[in-house]
This record gives sequence, C-alpha cells and structure tokens, in this order.
Amino acid sequence: GAVVSQHPSRVICKSGTSVKIECRSLDFQATTMFWYRQFPKKSLMLMATSNEGSKATYEQGVEKDKFLINHASLTLSTLTVTSAHPEDSSFYICSADTGQNSYNEQFFGPGTRLTVL
Amino acid sequence: GQNIDQPTEMTATEGAIVQINCTYQTSGFNGLFWYQQHAGEAPTFLSYNVLDGLEEKGRFSSFLSRSKGYSYLLLKELQMKDSASYLCAASDSNYQLIWGAGTKLIIKP
Repeated sequence: GAVVSQHPSRVICKSGTSVKIECRSLDFQATTMFWYRQFPKKSLMLMATSNEGSKATYEQGVEKDKFLINHASLTLSTLTVTSAHPEDSSFYICSADTGQNSYNEQFFGPGTRLTVL
Repeated sequence: GQNIDQPTEMTATEGAIVQINCTYQTSGFNGLFWYQQHAGEAPTFLSYNVLDGLEEKGRFSSFLSRSKGYSYLLLKELQMKDSASYLCAASDSNYQLIWGAGTKLIIKP
C-alpha cells in the first residue's frame, strides 16, 4: 500500500520560533499533497493543497506567509510554521494522492503534534 | 454551502452492530469516504462509495444514497479495538474532500 511518513512526530518550541514539518511519500510519487490541521475533538481542516513544482493553493483564512509550503519533489512536501505562537499548537497531518485511482484516495501521514510554549 | 453532518458520539456493546449515519451537501459530488481515526493518530481509509448501494468489506459495510445525500457505515461484530472516531468525507466537484467532525464510537464490554 501507499505509505506516507511525517517528521517530526512531536515538537515543542518556544513562541516566535519557526518549525518545519516534513511529509514524504515512501513508496509512490505523490502528484498532490495536502496539509491539514486538527484541533482536539474537531474535524480535519484543510490548510492547503500543494502540487510538485508549483505554488500551494491555500484555503480561505489560512495565512500563506505564516504557513509556508514547499513541494520540491514528487516525494517530499514541507510545511513551515513561521513565528509560531501558542494558538498554532495543533495536530498537523499531511496526506498524499497517488493519482493512481479514479477516486483520488488520500493516504495520510501519522501526524505531527506541535506545542508552542 | 457545503456541509457534512454526523453524530458526535455513539456507544455500543462488544459483539453488537452499530450504524453511523452521515448526511452531506456539496457542490457537485464525486464520492463519499469513510475513515477511521484512533486518538492521536492519522485517519486510515475504510471505504469509498460513488454509486448507490451497499459495499461490504469484512465486518465493515458502507451504504450510499445519492438522491438523499446520505451514507452510513455499518460495523458488525464489534471489537474493543473498533473504539475510534469515524470520519465521513464527501468529494466535491473539484475532488476536494469536505470533512465531517467525526463520530466518536465507544465500545463497552
């Protein structure tokens, strides 16, 4: 099956610092990757969609200068939370679309729990 | 607007059957997904329906009625490990997933 990894799994940082989260497709090339955030007991909220080699498409209300997304290759996308603040503390999950089936199934990474002190 | 509704929480007994309902309203429709998410983990794919009817996969089955904007996930022979949140997501005309808030399923012995 399609495997997606994320690193780190947990990160604690001080307010004002930047944090980079990596999302990798391990056994397939991901034409499209998605970044979500999820607050406790809430649904997944799509932040942005990224395609390799092009700028990410951000959802309404998501600050693109704060959440920098780079999809440099077909197997790697990164999300950088710049100048993180406590309200950015959340569970960040990436997913990837293999582009190999007709219904665009997304395969999820294990998630990154970010805590900003 | 686009909207997904599913119950917040359900409780069932080990060995029993439970049905989790989901209603959706989307701009266009390209299928309905069910995902399972254990606490602190990422969602894992359970099922996909795009045509009306019931899709059976082992202990789990998923049903879709496009005319009613309705789906359900049916879990049989419940096991303690089935305790998790179950997320319903509809794919809209742009193939973007619109997610429900999830149904937390509690299994009691």
